[in-house]
Amino acid sequence: AQSVTQLDSHVSVSEGTPVLLRCNYSSSYSPSLFWYVQHPNKGLQLLLKYTSAATLVKGINGFEAEFKKSETSFHLTKPSAHMSDAAEYFCVVSDLRGGSARQLTFGSGTQLTVLP
Amino acid sequence: EAGVTQFPSHSVIEKGQTVTLRCDPISGHDNLYWYRRVMGKEIKFLLHFVKESKQDESGMPNNRFLAERTGGTYSTLKVQPAELEDSGVYFCASSQERGLAGSYEQYFGPGTRLTVT
Repeated sequence: AQSVTQLDSHVSVSEGTPVLLRCNYSSSYSPSLFWYVQHPNKGLQLLLKYTSAATLVKGINGFEAEFKKSETSFHLTKPSAHMSDAAEYFCVVSDLRGGSARQLTFGSGTQLTVLP
Repeated sequence: EAGVTQFPSHSVIEKGQTVTLRCDPISGHDNLYWYRRVMGKEIKFLLHFVKESKQDESGMPNNRFLAERTGGTYSTLKVQPAELEDSGVYFCASSQERGLAGSYEQYFGPGTRLTVT
């Protein structure tokens, strides 16, 4: 079984300050981990993904995340928030049993507010 | 390349009625998934098609939900009869199977917001 816990339902930062969205996961197999973002009235967009290569993953729009197996964490960070980053962010896990495509398990989401 | 499209974007129906949601995956993607987000809850997996076959339907809530994927192209999700608790956003995603060494990133559509009154 696999699960994801997003530790904060809401995060509020000022424009230009760092962003940290926290995620812990549980998986019985080698996991693939993703961060998706959903802007208002838009679909889910992939920000970045970890699939057992480099543990520090760089994504779009300046976001990155670090896979820490010992802590079972996959926190999302960005050095400097922009107003356009305001959205809901989802941490997602999927296992790679047999290397085949599988269902995604979503966290409950973190709503990021960026203050001017 | 066109992304995943879903129709309709919104649907408002009365309890007991039938609604059919449609998803067109990215061309060439064999894998098609349905997910649902009920108000205030996590996005939950419903089912997974590989081409026209149901690979995993463990997330389907009950037999009022019927999913099909004719000819391995577009998919429909029918809810009959709809209940109040079926309200939420229904997402479709598709991916291209690339094997052990590859990525199977899922591309999501914009979702269909279903309201049952």
